[in-house]
Amino acid sequence: AQTVTQSQPEMSVQEAETVTLSCTYDTSESDYYLFWYKQPPSRQMILVIRQEAYKQQNATENRFSVNFQKAAKSFSLKISDSQLGDAAMYFCAYFNNNDMRFGAGTRLTVKP
Amino acid sequence: DSGVTQTPKHLITATGQRVTLRCSPRSGDLSVYWYQQSLDQGLQFLIHYYNGEERAKGNILERFSAQQFPDLHSELNLSSLELGDSALYFCASSADLGTVSGNTIYFGEGSWLTVV
Repeated sequence: AQTVTQSQPEMSVQEAETVTLSCTYDTSESDYYLFWYKQPPSRQMILVIRQEAYKQQNATENRFSVNFQKAAKSFSLKISDSQLGDAAMYFCAYFNNNDMRFGAGTRLTVKP
Repeated sequence: DSGVTQTPKHLITATGQRVTLRCSPRSGDLSVYWYQQSLDQGLQFLIHYYNGEERAKGNILERFSAQQFPDLHSELNLSSLELGDSALYFCASSADLGTVSGNTIYFGEGSWLTVV
């Protein structure tokens, strides 16, 4: 089974600074999709960004961007100009065809 | 609003009881996924249905079962409930993989289950 590893249980960033959350995964597939989801205290799962494995270009959504290294099976999330509203749990996820697997999550704290 | 609807939003029940959680996927989505999230834990994949058929099964207990109906809504049945079953149960949906948006999964707001 595919596994997703987030090695940083907690991260902290100063408001307006940049932070990078790490994610690695294990798969034997060549075509798959990777996601970052944000879960604020309300517990709602909010899609932040997604990356298709066949695309070499890193995905970007406003202040959020990824560093996708397919050979290294690495998929990190960079949050620029951090805002207080970015404080949440962030989950990395791998999706291929029939199922979607999540990492254990990284709790991000934003300091004013 | 993701378009995925889950009911009930909150449920409190006693040990040994049985409950049914319901999920209506986004319009046109054929796939439904169920996840369990215990307090301060990650999301555990339970089961995936595609157009009425079971496609993948995760760490789903034998006391739990699910189905997807012809109108594509899905139900997750939890029986002989134990205290440890208290969790947030998410339903998520995605379209057929051949479509533009087919490879994004959208989550409902979850059903909070408390077993006392």
